[in-house]
Amino acid sequence: AQSVTQLGSHVSVSEGALVLLRCNYSSSVPPYLFWYVQYPNQGLQLLLKYTSAATLVKGINGFEAEFKKSETSFHLTKPSAHMSDAAEYFCAVSSSGGGADGLTFGKGTHLIIQP
Amino acid sequence: DSGVTQTPKHLITATGQRVTLRCSPRSGDLSVYWYQQSLDQGLQFLIQYYNGEERAKGNILERFSAQQFPDLHSELNLSSLELGDSALYFCASSVDGPVTDTQYFGPGTRLTVL
Repeated sequence: AQSVTQLGSHVSVSEGALVLLRCNYSSSVPPYLFWYVQYPNQGLQLLLKYTSAATLVKGINGFEAEFKKSETSFHLTKPSAHMSDAAEYFCAVSSSGGGADGLTFGKGTHLIIQP
Repeated sequence: DSGVTQTPKHLITATGQRVTLRCSPRSGDLSVYWYQQSLDQGLQFLIQYYNGEERAKGNILERFSAQQFPDLHSELNLSSLELGDSALYFCASSVDGPVTDTQYFGPGTRLTVL
């Protein structure tokens, strides 16, 4: 079984400050990891994904995440927050077994940007 | 715009009723996934279809069923509805279903059961 834990249901940062959203995973097989963003009243949009290539993954909108196997973590960062980054962020994991399966999502982190 | 369309956008119905949610995947995508998003359960994977065949099952209730048609659109059928079924239902699609494939999400159908 696999699971995802996102620490902090709400994170508040000032505009221009570093954004750090935490994600820890549990998986019995090498994981594939994803970060999605959900803006109000919209569907989910992929920010970035880790698929066992480079451990530092760059995504859209200036976000990046680093896969750390020893810490079972895949934290999302952005050097400088922008007001438009305010949204709900979800970390997700998928197994590497044959065929596809659904994603297992964390509970989400609501990112608040203070002006 | 992800290219995945879902209808209807909103649905209000009563307990005990049956509803059908529809999803059209992105052009060329063979896999369709259904997810439920609720306040207490979060985002949960329900079921996946690949080219008309069921491929993976998640936390889908027996009262719920889905199918994928030859034109690759999919329908999620929810029956004997309960108050707790009120949620946002998302459809996602991907090209051919390997685990590293990107899933593109539709805007969702908001179901309210009264």
